[in-house]
Amino acid sequence: LAKTTQPISMDSYEGQEVNITCSHNNIATNDYITWYQQFPSQGPRFIIQGYKTKVTNEVASLFIPADRKSSTLSLPRVSLSDTAVYYCLVGDRDQAGTALIFGKGTTLSVSS
Amino acid sequence: GAVVSQHPSRVICKSGTSVKIECRSLDFQATTMFWYRQFPKQSLMLMATSNEGSKATYEQGVEKDKFLINHASLTLSTLTVTSAHPEDSSFYICSAGLTSTSTDTQYFGPGTRLTVL
Repeated sequence: LAKTTQPISMDSYEGQEVNITCSHNNIATNDYITWYQQFPSQGPRFIIQGYKTKVTNEVASLFIPADRKSSTLSLPRVSLSDTAVYYCLVGDRDQAGTALIFGKGTTLSVSS
Repeated sequence: GAVVSQHPSRVICKSGTSVKIECRSLDFQATTMFWYRQFPKQSLMLMATSNEGSKATYEQGVEKDKFLINHASLTLSTLTVTSAHPEDSSFYICSAGLTSTSTDTQYFGPGTRLTVL
């Protein structure tokens, strides 16, 4: 599985847009990029998944450049409740049957 | 989204006792489920892959005789921590994969907090 690198922590204020970038230089052709969010004492929650260009859903956007060696999770207008750890994972399309290997993640702290 | 439940949500036990944790996929069937362990301020660490109808596959360093996994049906996997000790105190999380036309990823249970006294 491709190794990912993320910032350990980020700070933001309510209402700001937050962009968390993940590096995955060794991403393989069949690999997808998936982001999870985890609150303390809870299981990770799926946020978004993409392969290339841009993916948007009701909570976030995922930007993936043409070389796919990095990706950026964009959270629009964050609130205090977005304070959490965000994990970037890279793996084969068949992630349903493949164990996910988690890196250290990015701890996002949102202040008022 | 798909729902995965775990029971119990938290358990406190005495050293030397065994504890069983259940993981259920509520609205889909999962041939494969995964068990993770997470210590405070750390990331999730994969313990084992649970396969329905066959033996689980354990990660290196995880004792299969201590962490018994049973995947008896397509919606239920259980993790039994045998002869638990204080160092087994941790947050245990399971996940199950869902394949659909729009996504192909895993969904996680809410976790079980185990405290061994």
